Amino acid sequence: GIQVEQSPPDLILQEGANSTLRCNFSDSVNNLQWFHQNPWGQLINLFYIPSGTKQNGRLSATTVATERYSLLYISSSQTTDSGVYFCAVGSGGSNYKLTFGKGTLLTVNP
Amino acid sequence: GAGVSQTPSNKVTEKGKYVELRCDPISGHTALYWYRQSLGQGPEFLIYFQGTGAADDSGLPNDRFFAVRPEGSVSTLKIQRTERGDSAVYLCASSPQRPDRPRANYGYTFGSGTRLTVV
Repeated sequence: GIQVEQSPPDLILQEGANSTLRCNFSDSVNNLQWFHQNPWGQLINLFYIPSGTKQNGRLSATTVATERYSLLYISSSQTTDSGVYFCAVGSGGSNYKLTFGKGTLLTVNP
Repeated sequence: GAGVSQTPSNKVTEKGKYVELRCDPISGHTALYWYRQSLGQGPEFLIYFQGTGAADDSGLPNDRFFAVRPEGSVSTLKIQRTERGDSAVYLCASSPQRPDRPRANYGYTFGSGTRLTVV
């Protein structure tokens, strides 16, 4: 099956800093989503982005499908951004079946 | 409803017992998914429903696991003869339709999950 690698595994920031999270995948995909899992366990969908670039407030994401990676940018980080960020991908005719990476644990300190 | 609702939020059961986990998706979402998340891991796919039918149940670990969605809305995940290894958070998600159709957004909305502990 498709492999998903996320980096870095852990990241500690001071409030106000910017960061870039990376997701590499082993095969072509036609479904890619970024999620934030907050400290209470709730998974929040950030982006559906199988290709191209999207922005939502302080967050933006870029997927370069031909090079098999996606980036999530967080600007002016806030303590509420803390949690685990997951990249999940699907491919082919069964692209509804998301394969998740192991996530990046982000801690934003005040 | 406004979001995906899962009940119960926590379930503790004895080894060998039967459990049912319920998912109420967003109204109008035809696609429904069950995932399982173990501590420190990303969610893993279990089953996908499109409408009332299980379009793909390839992620169910064995025949002790079964899921239904009889009216195309609420779904129930059923686990027979529970084992300690079944302990995990069971997540349900819904989306408007299959991601391979050209629409603006197929982002999944997840519920808060059911934490199942088998003792």
